Amino acid sequence: EVQLLESGGGLVQPGGSLGLSCAASGFGFTFSNHAMSWVRQAPGKGLEWVSAISGSGDSTYYADSVKGRFTISRDNSKNTLYLQLNSLRAEDTAVYYCANYVPGHFVYWGQGTLVSVSS
Amino acid sequence: SYVLTQPPSVSVAPGQTARITCGGNNIGSKTVHWYQQKPGQAPVLVVYDDSDRPSGIPERFSGSNSENTATLTISRVEAGDEADYYCQVWDSSSDHVVFGGGTKLTVL
Repeated sequence: EVQLLESGGGLVQPGGSLGLSCAASGFGFTFSNHAMSWVRQAPGKGLEWVSAISGSGDSTYYADSVKGRFTISRDNSKNTLYLQLNSLRAEDTAVYYCANYVPGHFVYWGQGTLVSVSS
Repeated sequence: SYVLTQPPSVSVAPGQTARITCGGNNIGSKTVHWYQQKPGQAPVLVVYDDSDRPSGIPERFSGSNSENTATLTISRVEAGDEADYYCQVWDSSSDHVVFGGGTKLTVL
């Protein structure tokens, strides 16, 4: 079974930075073959797509709300996905999920890591 | 940007059929996916590619997509189906993933 484990969440002040990680494991899951993505959910709100990256890491995609502030990357040798969050705002407060992106949809999801932006 | 519209809530009695809609401009030309999310848990894929079910998802869950509306149908609803449901598409014009706002299914 595929497991995705996020880490790195926490409390940060507005304008601050934070780095999230997502470690992938599981029999038969070749990390480099899978596009990956970050999806967030603000408290009491719906799902919001944040960013995606191709299996090789050559292609990246961002929601308009985070473009220029967040950076997605991956290290296929470590089976790990990353999200660097800069210039954080109160509205970035959310649970951040990583998920693998089979073309078109998300199959496996992590349990999420909470990012709180507050002074 | 592409917008998906879902009703905020749907209520149904146990054993009945729940239909959750997802509206979008010419959504029938796109491929729609559906997720179930229970409180405090990560989303779970219940229907992909308009009408296919992942392994482990009961046959009671089905999907359809035509013209401007996609629909998730849950037959013989059970108490355990109570959850939030989200539709999702890939918008090729913007290279963005788009989620609907979510529908809370209440089992009466």
